[in-house]
Amino acid sequence: QLQLRESGPGLLKPSETLSLTCTVSGGSISSTSDYWGWIRQPPGKGLDWIGSLYYSGSTYYNPSLKSRVTISVDTSQNQFSLKLTSVTAADTAVYYCARSPGDNWFDRWGQGTLVTVSS
Amino acid sequence: SYELTQPPSVSVSPGQTASITCSGDKLGDKYAFWYQQKPGQSPVLIIYQDTKRPSGIPERFSGSNSGNTATLTISGTQAMDEAHYYCQAWDSNTFVFGIGTKVTVL
Repeated sequence: QLQLRESGPGLLKPSETLSLTCTVSGGSISSTSDYWGWIRQPPGKGLDWIGSLYYSGSTYYNPSLKSRVTISVDTSQNQFSLKLTSVTAADTAVYYCARSPGDNWFDRWGQGTLVTVSS
Repeated sequence: SYELTQPPSVSVSPGQTASITCSGDKLGDKYAFWYQQKPGQSPVLIIYQDTKRPSGIPERFSGSNSGNTATLTISGTQAMDEAHYYCQAWDSNTFVFGIGTKVTVL
């Protein structure tokens, strides 16, 4: 059973860089049929796609966040990571990692991790 | 940018049918996907490619998509179906989510 788990700091100050890692177990991040993505959800609000990548390293991002986002992969660790620079309170959210089985939807989600940006 | 519109809330009596709409420009030309999210939990895929149910999703959940509107139907709604439901589509290399619909089982 494929599982994903997010990890990283839960509290950041404004202007810092958010760094999260998603560890994939029960499957390979190098699967040629899968993409891997990050989605966030501000408290009490809806889902907001951040970006996705393929194991080869190719990426695509939400245009509204593109200037601040980098998603990368470490196939040796079966992990992929999210970096979001210059965070503000508006970046406070639960951050999820998820798998896309090649056709533009998410079929497996991590449990999510809350990241709070506060001075 | 592409937008998906959902009603903020839908109420339904136990055993009745709930219909949740998701509207977007020519949405019927794309695939629609639906997720269920209960408080404190991660989203769960319940409908993919307009009408398909992943393994383990009850048959009372069904989907359709035509024209500008995709619809999630919950037949014989149960108390456990009370949750937020999000539609999602893929447009111009981006994932687009609707704002979500809170289904209340009265």
